[in-house]
Order: sequence, then C-alpha cells, then structure tokens
Amino acid sequence: QKEVEQNSGPLSVPEGAIASLNCTYSDRGSQSFFWYRQYSGKSPELIMSIYSNGDKEDGRFTAQLNKASQYVSLLIRDSQPSDSATYLCAFPGNTPLVFGKGTRLSVIA
Amino acid sequence: GAVVSQHPSRVICKSGTSVKIECRSLDFQATTMFWYRQFPKQSLMLMATSNEGSKATYEQGVEKDKFLINHASLTLSTLTVTSAHPEDSSFYICSARDRDRASYEQYFGPGTRLTVT
Repeated sequence: QKEVEQNSGPLSVPEGAIASLNCTYSDRGSQSFFWYRQYSGKSPELIMSIYSNGDKEDGRFTAQLNKASQYVSLLIRDSQPSDSATYLCAFPGNTPLVFGKGTRLSVIA
Repeated sequence: GAVVSQHPSRVICKSGTSVKIECRSLDFQATTMFWYRQFPKQSLMLMATSNEGSKATYEQGVEKDKFLINHASLTLSTLTVTSAHPEDSSFYICSARDRDRASYEQYFGPGTRLTVT
C-alpha cells in the first residue's frame, strides 16, 4: 500500500526563520510530488509541484526532491505568521493522490 | 486557472433529510473528481472517486447507498447525503483533476460544512 509519512508537528518557528517540512514516501516509482497548504477550516490549496530530483523554487518556497532516498521537503524562507497552516505532501496513487496526514506549522510573531 | 467551486458552502439540515452538494470545475474539464470528508482536527479522508459517465468507486467503509455520487458531465459532480444523521456532520470537500493536463495535480473546492441537527 502506498503511504506518505509526515511529522504531525506542531512545528514552531519564529517569524523570519526558515521552516523545514519533510515527507517520506513508499512508492519508489513515483515521478511527481505535491505540497498542499491547508488553513484551519479551509480546504487544501496546491502550492508546489515537483517532478525531478533537486530543488524547485517559487518565491519564498523551495521544494526539494531526493528520489533515491524517497524524500521530499518544503522549505519556507522568511516565515510569516500567515504561513501558519497544515502542510500536506502527496504523490500519485492508483488514481487519487496519496496524502500524508500533514504537518502543522506555527509561525510565532 | 484550475478553479473548483462547491455549493452550498454551508448547510444545516434536520436528521433524516437528504442534502445535495454540487462540485463544479469552472475553467477546465474533469474526467475524474474526488470526494473527501474531514472531521475537526483530523486528516482528509477519501470517500469516493467519480468518473464522468460511470459509477463512482467508493472507499472501504463508505456506504454507497448513503452517499450518492453522480458525475453527469465533465464539469459537475454531485454528492447526496441521504437520510443524514448527526454523525454525518463534517466538512465535505471535492477535488478535480484536469483532463487536459498530464500531471496528477488535484484542485480542491472550498468545501461544504454540513451540520445535521
């Protein structure tokens, strides 16, 4: 069964620091990975997709993928209180994405 | 782009009644849509996968006769909660995949908060 492991947190970082969120996955053959952000009481929002090994940057967000280690991470630079949310990583299953349970991030002002 | 809407955003109904939730892809066509349920402080739980023009595939433990799914067009899927009970109170979220994109990205609607009294 395909699985995604994430530390549930909460991960607390001070405002302006780098938040590092990590995820391991079970399917060695998976080619694409996604990070979603979910604010409390809201639905998930896709913030990053990554398909190849290495880093992908988008503004303050950097996704890192290491297929050999089956590891994907999300770095948030200059963390802001508005980044406080639950971050879900996901990869394709048979049809729907397989989601991790999410890591709750709290950015302290 | 890739906008998914849901209606209603919030609904309160009496126990024993039925509620229909609509999910629409506004700027893309979705052969496949997904329905999730999320209880407070818990993770997403996939209920079913619906494919346009065919029967939905339900996850283990989800009653297909209670949660009726209809995916009649490439932009609309509906979830009907029949004979709702208080334990069905939850946050229902749909998600869709763009038929014309090769990737597996799923785009979520804003969710429907159902309260059964």
